[in-house]
Amino acid sequence: QKEVEQDPGPLSVPEGAIVSLNCTYSNSAFQYFMWYRQYSRKGPELLMYTYSSGNKEDGRFTAQVDKSSKYISLFIRDSQPSDSATYLCAMRGNAGNNRKLIWGLGTSLAVNP
Amino acid sequence: DSGVTQTPKHLITATGQRVTLRCSPRSGDLSVYWYQQSLDQGLQFLIQYYNGEERAKGNILERFSAQQFPDLHSELNLSSLELGDSALYFCASSASISTGDNYGYTFGSGTRLTVV
Repeated sequence: QKEVEQDPGPLSVPEGAIVSLNCTYSNSAFQYFMWYRQYSRKGPELLMYTYSSGNKEDGRFTAQVDKSSKYISLFIRDSQPSDSATYLCAMRGNAGNNRKLIWGLGTSLAVNP
Repeated sequence: DSGVTQTPKHLITATGQRVTLRCSPRSGDLSVYWYQQSLDQGLQFLIQYYNGEERAKGNILERFSAQQFPDLHSELNLSSLELGDSALYFCASSASISTGDNYGYTFGSGTRLTVV
């Protein structure tokens, strides 16, 4: 079993839809949770970063962490065609080997006009 | 433009050959990280250099090596190439020394390597 599981999709939604992207993980030591967005032929770019549990909002994007369920989510409101990309979750712990960043495989999202 | 420059963008080579991928980090960043991305394995951390010295090693094969030069650019050398080495290779840079502070990365656009 991988430490981080992420459904690769693809996910296809109409413009304006609310999108929910998710990752599950197995290592309870993970404390830092990130979402990266990767456009085709580009490197990943950091979208959202959350420490420990709770929600974080930035414009149309909301990141949620539920450590009790070992589950993180990224919500995109009023999705736009420009949101079409692959979304990767990444996470790490605080000490020792757990400080190594572990990545999900990424979920491919297409927002259709 | 992220500020991290990778060359070449595409590379096609035969099995058994050796190639060198180059990365120039963002201005001011001392750490360079190399990643391999394939469809089935996702992003795999290979190696990190900080200010010319190897800082952390990930899943890097013995056939692969890297170095960071005094001007902070880095090269990833891949030798005795196999079909399975075909992947996207990304370089990322950060100001941080610690491999744990990965959220501060800036990625380049990658080099697509195809081994035939």
